[in-house]
Amino acid sequence: GENVEQHPSTLSVQEGDSAVIKCTYSDSASNYFPWYKQELGKRPQLIIDIRSNVGEKKDQRIAVTLNKTAKHFSLHITETQPEDSAVYFCAASIMSGGGTSYGKLTFGQGTILTVHP
Amino acid sequence: NAGVTQTPKFQVLKTGQSMTLQCAQDMNHEYMSWYRQDPGMGLRLIHYSVGAGITDQGEVPNGYNVSRSTTEDFPLRLLSAAPSQTSVYFCASSYFAPSSGNTIYFGEGSWLTVV
Repeated sequence: GENVEQHPSTLSVQEGDSAVIKCTYSDSASNYFPWYKQELGKRPQLIIDIRSNVGEKKDQRIAVTLNKTAKHFSLHITETQPEDSAVYFCAASIMSGGGTSYGKLTFGQGTILTVHP
Repeated sequence: NAGVTQTPKFQVLKTGQSMTLQCAQDMNHEYMSWYRQDPGMGLRLIHYSVGAGITDQGEVPNGYNVSRSTTEDFPLRLLSAAPSQTSVYFCASSYFAPSSGNTIYFGEGSWLTVV
């Protein structure tokens, strides 16, 4: 099955700095890579996602890059703010072919991001 | 539109007891799944369903049963609770659309402690 590794496990930055979180996956059939933000005691919230036919996607201060050859993808947050402090999870899934793979995510272990004012 | 609703939000069980975590969605999504979240391990898939009457095991299915008699409901049953099942449980639902892909919606979570 799929295995997703996420690094670093903790990341501390100053407000205004950039933050980068990296993930690698093992199954070359995976083609959908979402990123979730989870605040303490809350549910995971989708912040950005990318499909394997795209190399980069950006949404305001957040961007995700994907390298299919190397099987890794990264989350980039620019101009970090204290409200960006949370746990971030990457995930991988297969989103094509038969429907039996839909809704099945393999998650990374999470990164605790702390943004200091 | 309530989205994905889980009950109960908090529960304490004694070892050996059984219980059911309820999950309901009102978005007519085909796909539903259950995850557990433990510290430092991310979320792990327990069971999932691609439609009414169809379920399958995920990464960590032992000790749990599911059924999907309707599109809306996907209950998770703990047969004989063990301390190792102390965790936060998230139900999720999703659909696939060619334009937007497979967006997954999570419930608010259920905190379960087994003593």
